Amino acid sequence: GAVVSQHPSRVICKSGTSVKIECRSLDFQATTMFWYRQFPKKSLMLMATSNEGSKATYEQGVEKDKFLINHASLTLSTLTVTSAHPEDSSFYICSAHRLRVRGTEAFFGQGTRLTVV
Amino acid sequence: SQQGEEDPQALSIQEGENATMNCSYKTSINNLQWYRQNSGRGLVHLILIRSNEREKHSGRLRVTLDTSKKSSSLLITASRAADTASYFCATVDRDDKIIFGKGTRLHILP
Repeated sequence: GAVVSQHPSRVICKSGTSVKIECRSLDFQATTMFWYRQFPKKSLMLMATSNEGSKATYEQGVEKDKFLINHASLTLSTLTVTSAHPEDSSFYICSAHRLRVRGTEAFFGQGTRLTVV
Repeated sequence: SQQGEEDPQALSIQEGENATMNCSYKTSINNLQWYRQNSGRGLVHLILIRSNEREKHSGRLRVTLDTSKKSSSLLITASRAADTASYFCATVDRDDKIIFGKGTRLHILP
């Protein structure tokens, strides 16, 4: 089946540095990918829609300058957390959607646990 | 923004019993999906039910959908310890955005 690979699975960074998270669709092309954030014991919050070849669409309340999204190819979207602070520590998950005849299938990455110290 | 509301938020049952989780949503949907998440891990897709379907089965899982009430339920029969996890419903809108509910933390007691 289709696989979405997310890397890294865990990252610890110092406050003030930037962290890049990659989301790759391994065996299909994804014109649209989505990025989610999850706090402990909470649900997934949609952050933004990543569109191949164009700017990402951010959900209300998500700072686009803080969370930079680049979807440079049909198989790769990246999320960069810029100038990270401890409050950015969270679990980040991406999803890629594959178009099928009967509709769209969503495949999720395994998530990235970001800890900012 | 979160659309779905799961009920209950937490559920503890004895192994072997059935577990029922409910989900309500607010807007029009193309389909509704249920996911499972073990602590600190990624999502596992369980089942998808389309807006024109009322019930769907997959192994020990049974999902219902009532679009008039904008609600869905997930039933896990003959629960096992390995079913302990968080369960989320997710609605998919016409723009293919997946919006997750708050989730139910299910704990199966031995």
